[in-house]
Amino acid sequence: GIQVEQSPPDLILQEGANSTLRCNFSDSVNNLQWFHQNPWGQLINLFYIPSGTKQNGRLSATTVATERYSLLYISSSQTTDSGVYFCAVTKAAGNKLTFGGGTRVLVKP
Amino acid sequence: GAVVSQHPSRVICKSGTSVKIECRSLDFQATTMFWYRQFPKKSLMLMATSNEGSKATYEQGVEKDKFLINHASLTLSTLTVTSAHPEDSSFYICSAVTLAKNIQYFGAGTRLSVL
Repeated sequence: GIQVEQSPPDLILQEGANSTLRCNFSDSVNNLQWFHQNPWGQLINLFYIPSGTKQNGRLSATTVATERYSLLYISSSQTTDSGVYFCAVTKAAGNKLTFGGGTRVLVKP
Repeated sequence: GAVVSQHPSRVICKSGTSVKIECRSLDFQATTMFWYRQFPKKSLMLMATSNEGSKATYEQGVEKDKFLINHASLTLSTLTVTSAHPEDSSFYICSAVTLAKNIQYFGAGTRLSVL
């Protein structure tokens, strides 16, 4: 099956700092989603981004499908950005998501 | 965005009892729902794919008789953990996919503790 690797596994940031999270995948994909899992376990959809670039406030994401990677940018980080960030991919519409291992982010005040 | 409701959010039960978890898509129809399990500080592990009106497809290593899945309507799937034991304690999360947008939306999860 498809492999999804995220880096770094852990990230400690000072409030206000910028950061980049990376997601590599081993095969062509139909769908790529970024999620933020908050301390209560809720997975929050950040981006649906099989290709291209999208921005939403302080977050943006870029997927280069031909090179099989995606990047999530966090700018001017806040303590509420803390949590685990997952990327997940599917190879076909409606198919099961394969999750990466996640990046655990801690933003210190 | 689409809303997926999952209940209960937390369950504490005695060993040997069965626990049912519900997953509902509130504002869209979901022909396919997924059930995941997450251990502490780990990623999500897919347990099964639930298709409306048909039998669920279980991932390798997941006991179908232990984790019963029913998807009786386009908005409701249930996961029943039968004869629960302490090793079944975990965080269970469901998701539903909107085929029109090919996006999965997740419930808030159920934390199961078996004593």
